[in-house]
Amino acid sequence: ELKVEQNPLFLSMQEGKNYTIYCNYSTTSDRLYWYRQDPGKSLESLFVLLSNGAVKQEGRLMASLDTKARLSTLHITAAVHDLSATYFCAVGPAQKLVFGQGTRLTINP
Amino acid sequence: NAGVMQNPRHLVRRRGQEARLRCSPMKGHSHVYWYRQLPEEGLKFMVYLQKENIIDESGMPKERFSAEFPKEGPSILRIQQVVRGDSAAYFCASSTLPDTQYFGPGTRLTVL
Repeated sequence: ELKVEQNPLFLSMQEGKNYTIYCNYSTTSDRLYWYRQDPGKSLESLFVLLSNGAVKQEGRLMASLDTKARLSTLHITAAVHDLSATYFCAVGPAQKLVFGQGTRLTINP
Repeated sequence: NAGVMQNPRHLVRRRGQEARLRCSPMKGHSHVYWYRQLPEEGLKFMVYLQKENIIDESGMPKERFSAEFPKEGPSILRIQQVVRGDSAAYFCASSTLPDTQYFGPGTRLTVL
């Protein structure tokens, strides 16, 4: 059974700092997704990573995938308050995603 | 191009009543997925449907829960005889091929 674990589950940081969220999964999978969720809202797709060594960047967020280690990271550079949200990783197959518990990120001015 | 639409956004039911949640996928999307999110948890897969077919319902509770995606109209998630433990946010997602899923705004079900 595929299991997905994120850490940390809670992260409070100051604006301008860098930090990384980790996503480990238990069995081989063909794709990994990162989503953002604001309180009371739906999920917004951030990245989809399809192959070992894949790296994608959008603004202050960068995601990478190491399929051999079964690990993905979401790196936040020079955090700003607008990035406060809960971030989920999810592992495929695409028709049956398994989600991590989520990382609640709070960025303080 | 409208996104995934779900209604109602909030639904309150008393124990023993039925809950019907509707999902209209994005235009051109023929794959629909339902997920449940309990407070402070990640989303849990429930069911995957294509038009008129249930492809994978391995995440659906065996009793009281059913889903359909008819040829015409929205996908429906139906919960019969609701209990307090059914209180959660239910999200629908859609895609073209089994690919990146786009999520609707969710229906927040409260069972009194």
